[in-house]
Amino acid sequence: SQTIHQWPATLVQPVGSPLSLECTVEGTSNPNLYWYRQAAGRGLQLLFYSVGIGQISSEVPQNLSASRPQDRQFILSSKKLLLSDSGFYLCAWRLWGSGSTDTQYFGPGTRLTVL
Amino acid sequence: AQTVTQSQPEMSVQEAETVTLSCTYDTSESDYYLFWYKQPPSRQMILVIRQEAYKQQNATENRFSVNFQKAAKSFSLKISDSQLGDAAMYFCAYNQGGSEKLVFGKGTKLTVNP
Repeated sequence: SQTIHQWPATLVQPVGSPLSLECTVEGTSNPNLYWYRQAAGRGLQLLFYSVGIGQISSEVPQNLSASRPQDRQFILSSKKLLLSDSGFYLCAWRLWGSGSTDTQYFGPGTRLTVL
Repeated sequence: AQTVTQSQPEMSVQEAETVTLSCTYDTSESDYYLFWYKQPPSRQMILVIRQEAYKQQNATENRFSVNFQKAAKSFSLKISDSQLGDAAMYFCAYNQGGSEKLVFGKGTKLTVNP
């Protein structure tokens, strides 16, 4: 069965510091991968998605960037964090192609607090 | 752009009773999918149920079922025999066929009273 991991689980960072959040998926190949952010009291907002190694699409231009160095690894980064980057970050995966149910499955998330 | 509206910020239900959460969406597309996700205090998003727009039959998963009214663009979730573990935020989500983007509503907080 497929599992998705995110780390760290929680992170407190000062304004202006760099950021690296990691997401890995096990038990599947060539998944589509997604980064979402959930601000307090709101639904999820898609930030980035990737349909393959090195392929990144941005939904919301901002202070963050994403990379996919390996098939099942997705990284969310920032060079300088802003207060507004605080939130709950969720990674998700989806099968692509035949057999896909168009369903996205989510990881446990990372709670980021920028002070 | 597609939008998803959950008009009930909070709902409560007695244990063992039935509750219905509302969701409406706006789209001009005919090929799409609808989802309900549950977010417990741990905050991991868990898929509850999924509905393809081309299917007339309402999806069911054990105690969870939906009332999908395509013409009205309505997608409500019914939870039968509510359990304490059902307490969570529930999010309705829309995915246009061929799109990578899930559009979420703002959620409904469900409280289950013993």
